[in-house]
Amino acid sequence: SQQGEEDPQALSIQEGENATMNCSYKTSINNLQWYRQNSGRGLVHLILIRSNEREKHSGRLRVTLDTSKKSSSLLITASRAADTASYFCAPKYSGAGSYQLTFGKGTKLSVIP
Amino acid sequence: SAVISQKPSRDICQRGTSLTIQCQVDSQVTMMFWYRQQPGQSLTLIATANQGSEATYESGFVIDKFPISRPNLTFSTLTVSNMSPEDSSIYLCSVRDYDYEQYFGPGTRLTVT
Repeated sequence: SQQGEEDPQALSIQEGENATMNCSYKTSINNLQWYRQNSGRGLVHLILIRSNEREKHSGRLRVTLDTSKKSSSLLITASRAADTASYFCAPKYSGAGSYQLTFGKGTKLSVIP
Repeated sequence: SAVISQKPSRDICQRGTSLTIQCQVDSQVTMMFWYRQQPGQSLTLIATANQGSEATYESGFVIDKFPISRPNLTFSTLTVSNMSPEDSSIYLCSVRDYDYEQYFGPGTRLTVT
């Protein structure tokens, strides 16, 4: 399938530690977006990174993109208990009419106080 | 960024009945999307709803089961018809802005008994 694949599926860390989640995808993309979902709630948009960008920052979040490896990573620094959530990557594939996002199963992050 | 609201936030319905979910956006958007997230699963696109045209359904979803209205550029409804327990999911409305960032509503948690 064309969805992004997040890795690991689950991650448990202590508060204050950094959390890194990875995403791999299949073919060329226009952009890739990262989202957070708290239990049973809607998705919160975190960052969009375009195919010609290599790194983007937003507060404690850092996203990298390596188009040669077809992968992206999300780093959360100095994690907090409130960061406990599922994180999804959504690649936007290139091509005419290819406007929809596809989602993987996500990484479930648990931050232990 | 777009601010999206959904009504109802949750509902418990009996099998065989129908539920209409409303999605309101605080700005005019061309493209709106409806997603479903079954328990413990990732998001699956149901359909794309553009104002002034018929909704485009993804494979596995049909208009008779999930009729969609898009009367203007800020509003859409999704109806889940003749419900069965398998329809128990979170239903999410989503919009894409001019900069290709895609935003999601808070979701409607549906339980069918």
